[in-house]
Amino acid sequence: GAVVSQHPSWVICKSGTSVKIECRSLDFQATTMFWYRQFPKQSLMLMATSNEGSKATYEQGVEKDKFLINHASLTLSTLTVTSAHPEDSSFYICSAIKRTSGSGEQFFGPGTRLTVL
Amino acid sequence: QKEVEQDPGPLSVPEGAIVSLNCTYSNSAFQYFMWYRQYSRKGPELLMYTYSSGNKEDGRFTAQVDKSSKYISLFIRDSQPSDSATYLCAMSLSGNTPLVFGKGTRLSVIA
Repeated sequence: GAVVSQHPSWVICKSGTSVKIECRSLDFQATTMFWYRQFPKQSLMLMATSNEGSKATYEQGVEKDKFLINHASLTLSTLTVTSAHPEDSSFYICSAIKRTSGSGEQFFGPGTRLTVL
Repeated sequence: QKEVEQDPGPLSVPEGAIVSLNCTYSNSAFQYFMWYRQYSRKGPELLMYTYSSGNKEDGRFTAQVDKSSKYISLFIRDSQPSDSATYLCAMSLSGNTPLVFGKGTRLSVIA
């Protein structure tokens, strides 16, 4: 299989605090992981591309100092939302590509719902 | 013009109907084409994957890619209420580049 997990599945935090979201590939190694954000009734918007052992590549308009991404191993990438504000409330989803696959199939995690009060 | 266009619907069909979902795209360099199903408040689930042009069938689902027309389709036969979800088309340039998504089509299958 190709299972991707995310933790936590939902989080509520106060404005100004930081929140860390973990994305794990459970049964495969992933050299590349992607982070997306999805607002209600909208499609997924790519935030950044995360490659193991190197700095993440951020999409235009995404603040790299606010959304810190670390891809320290072949099975784990983390997204930290620093100094979160209510406008950061969203559904954050990660995806991963199998290290051994050249097919481009991306497997998604179940998502993390962030609510900033 | 957006890179990937997808009619957002909503689309409502009776149980047992054949459903046709479509996307058009503008970048002829796309080579990998996927369809995802997303239930409310869940992550997308990969349904179908196709490389380049052609058809692919998996159970009740058939994916078609026509690169000459820059058009992809997903057909669902004998639709079931459990098929009610948002269907997202997605495509990429190569095997490790980000996906570009359509807006998604909300489908309701009425029993």
